[in-house]
Amino acid sequence: NAGVMQNPRHLVRRRGQEARLRCSPMKGHSHVYWYRQLPEEGLKFMVYLQKENIIDESGMPKERFSAEFPKEGPSILRIQQVVRGDSAAYFCASSPNRRGSAYEQYFGPGTRLTVT
Amino acid sequence: AQKITQTQPGMFVQEKEAVTLDCTYDTSDPSYGLFWYKQPSSGEMIFLIYQGSYDQQNATEGRYSLNFQKARKSANLVISASQLGDSAMYFCAITRQGANSKLTFGKGITLSVRP
Repeated sequence: NAGVMQNPRHLVRRRGQEARLRCSPMKGHSHVYWYRQLPEEGLKFMVYLQKENIIDESGMPKERFSAEFPKEGPSILRIQQVVRGDSAAYFCASSPNRRGSAYEQYFGPGTRLTVT
Repeated sequence: AQKITQTQPGMFVQEKEAVTLDCTYDTSDPSYGLFWYKQPSSGEMIFLIYQGSYDQQNATEGRYSLNFQKARKSANLVISASQLGDSAMYFCAITRQGANSKLTFGKGITLSVRP
């Protein structure tokens, strides 16, 4: 019973390149949340997705960032034209499709993005 | 909007002693949940304990207990019998109960356990 999987665990990109971060939720989970953790900070919510739908993207930067969760395959967080300020740890969390399960949010190990 | 405040500087505790990590929160939601997570130096987020706003009793999970004082809007984490492996960052978080359970985190507290 695998947990939430994220890959790659570490990603190095040069300024201007694209970064793609993948998240495979736990089996049976259809809700995915993405969070960003800047150095010395807590996690900050970015986006909440269900299969094929973006439910809440209130934490996403207006430009260069996008997310999807297709019917098949992992959720993808995409950052275009990365800048040094995008260097952070990106975590995804998944939860089951069940009302009242607010506490059942399971985190992946995170992807550490370094922009050089 | 929801907010979590964690203002303690780095905390130190002697091995086998108890320690309290402070957390205060602000929310306009009538129904909410409070969480504590541990983040060791390896970086993963480890769920420790959950308290629902309408739970009558304070939550406990092994050596972790949550001192929930609703009127004061505080949700302090108590770790009993500290171990060296407890050295880590600790984050308090809040969510609105309901379908969109996005978490709002505090800035965290560093705990160091001394042998």
